[in-house]
Amino acid sequence: ETGVTQTPRHLVMGMTNKKSLKCEQHLGHNAMYWYKQSAKKPLELMFVYSLEERVENNSVPSRFSPECPNSSHLFLHLHTLQPEDSALYLCASSPAGTENTEAFFGQGTRLTVV
Amino acid sequence: RKEVEQDPGPFNVPEGATVAFNCTYSNSASQSFFWYRQDCRKEPKLLMSVYSSGNEDGRFTAQLNRASQYISLLIRDSKLSDSATYLCVAAEGQLTFGSGTQLTVLP
Repeated sequence: ETGVTQTPRHLVMGMTNKKSLKCEQHLGHNAMYWYKQSAKKPLELMFVYSLEERVENNSVPSRFSPECPNSSHLFLHLHTLQPEDSALYLCASSPAGTENTEAFFGQGTRLTVV
Repeated sequence: RKEVEQDPGPFNVPEGATVAFNCTYSNSASQSFFWYRQDCRKEPKLLMSVYSSGNEDGRFTAQLNRASQYISLLIRDSKLSDSATYLCVAAEGQLTFGSGTQLTVLP
């Protein structure tokens, strides 16, 4: 069983809908990340939280809104998305937010915007 | 210019073959390097870290050349189960991923 759990695994939403992606990590890590993976493109870092504070926001559109209520949970709130936002959204965690340690990924949410 | 560049492949090799993947990174301040493996429709998983002295884990050997900003992964005696996409990663605070190299090992 993975130490990083994401729900839902699959999501289809209309452009006017509001939905949220959830991530939970059971590894005792203090940094969490949201990545976007589109076909044939590198993983794109969206948000980084370290000790529940956002430390990185790589110019992500405001229609994506992260929330980190505690070090074990991370949400990505979605509203008025576009079809090009369809992708695999991966959550990851690591022991620290700024050191060069590897990240552990959840299984991802495959999002389709229609 | 891509920050971490990999040959996308696909590499199709017979079982038992030796295959090598190469990767270059543009950020000379990168301090840590990794190879991740990603199976189809699954999440990336750490395969191995890459050290300046080179390191080996069974059939897998990783090499780092800081002067050339170049990372490699060698897989010996490839198995059907090695079929996956291999992601090269350079880290300077945050992880920067390459697009991945697709490997298919054929029976």
